[in-house]
Amino acid sequence: DQQVKQNSPSLSVQEGRISILNCDYTNSMFDYFLWYKKYPAEGPTFLISISSIKDKNEDGRFTVFLNKSAKHLSLHIVPSQPGDSAVYFCAAIWSTSGTYKYIFGTGTRLKVLA
Amino acid sequence: DGGITQSPKYLFRKEGQNVTLSCEQNLNHDAMYWYRQDPGQGLRLIYYSQIVNDFQKGDIAEGYSVSREKKESFPLTVTSAQKNPTAFYLCASSMKGIRGYTFGSGTRLTVV
Repeated sequence: DQQVKQNSPSLSVQEGRISILNCDYTNSMFDYFLWYKKYPAEGPTFLISISSIKDKNEDGRFTVFLNKSAKHLSLHIVPSQPGDSAVYFCAAIWSTSGTYKYIFGTGTRLKVLA
Repeated sequence: DGGITQSPKYLFRKEGQNVTLSCEQNLNHDAMYWYRQDPGQGLRLIYYSQIVNDFQKGDIAEGYSVSREKKESFPLTVTSAQKNPTAFYLCASSMKGIRGYTFGSGTRLTVV
């Protein structure tokens, strides 16, 4: 059972426009969410995170929104740039006994068209 | 520069052979992890280790083995028992109690 779902495997956006990547989760115990960006043949790199007690976190062109009632989070990239073309993974975390446990979504491939 | 290094980047294995993937970090991180990435399936946890000489099975540990004899090193052995080993393997590390992972650049294993 996939507890973290990214239902769109791919997304194409024109350069300069907004990219919106979505992630749905099922477990209310998750207390932190992260987005990672991954280029082909490389490891993922951390992009932005949000605590479950917040509903928005912004870092430059990247904003993550959390809707707890809908168990939904989204990553907005404005304006989108060709270098943003990558696979984006959302991850949900819950803590137990001082340890953090991760679940990753399946990823969304973003293509920004010049 | 501190970081996490995986080697080799590409690895070919004949069926029936065991093969070991290397993961070394100089970040002084306590915890290390091995993930496998397959198309359309995201990242799935194979094994993780919170401290030296201790490790736990993840979601898909069958056919894999690990060791954690040093804090810096967490090698993964893909055994002949792993039925579908062709994949991209990612190693990650983190400080205990810290949420963010640092990932290595990955090893692509292909069975020929």
